[in-house]
Amino acid sequence: NAGVMQNPRHLVRRRGQEARLRCSPMKGHSHVYWYRQLPEEGLKFMVYLQKENIIDESGMPKERFSAEFPKEGPSILRIQQVVRGDSAAYFCASSSRSSQGTDTQYFGPGTRLTVL
Amino acid sequence: GQQLNQSPQSMFIQEGEDVSMNCTSSSIFNTWLWYKQDPGEGPVLLIALYKAGELTSNGRLTAQFGITRKDSFLNISASIPSDVGIYFCAGRGNQGGKLIFGQGTELSVKP
Repeated sequence: NAGVMQNPRHLVRRRGQEARLRCSPMKGHSHVYWYRQLPEEGLKFMVYLQKENIIDESGMPKERFSAEFPKEGPSILRIQQVVRGDSAAYFCASSSRSSQGTDTQYFGPGTRLTVL
Repeated sequence: GQQLNQSPQSMFIQEGEDVSMNCTSSSIFNTWLWYKQDPGEGPVLLIALYKAGELTSNGRLTAQFGITRKDSFLNISASIPSDVGIYFCAGRGNQGGKLIFGQGTELSVKP
């Protein structure tokens, strides 16, 4: 199964600790997106990356949050000094831009972050 | 910013009934996508629409990209218990790759 992989599936952190969420895109995909979902809500865009480049970070909080997609290895979403309000499900999606400009995003299973 | 309004918020139907849900936008979208999300899982793509007026089917599911490019609907025919879940519409405008999601429609099917 060459789907989008995310790990860990569940992550528990105490306030003030760091959280690192990993995403491996589908084979052949070079575009990665991160979204956050609070309970009973839809997904909210955070950041869009291509290999070694941040394309759109308009949905990222200004502080404590960062993302990268290195040339080798998975994309990482990093949350420093977590607070209880960071508790949510974080989803990664990947896509491969086609020659027609279509851009279908396929989602991973998510990482559920709980901050104690 | 761009916003999507999805309705209804929830539906309780009998097995075998048809279902319809829709999304409207305050601005034009170039792409409409419909996803289904089961508890504890990520959204699974159901149908992708790329052209205004496009009508696409996937088994018992049919979705249309509104001609004004500001709306889309999803129909499910002859519902079955495994259709239970939360359905999300998502749209992409001319601001690049990010998707804007609706609030979701929670579907319950009574056997």
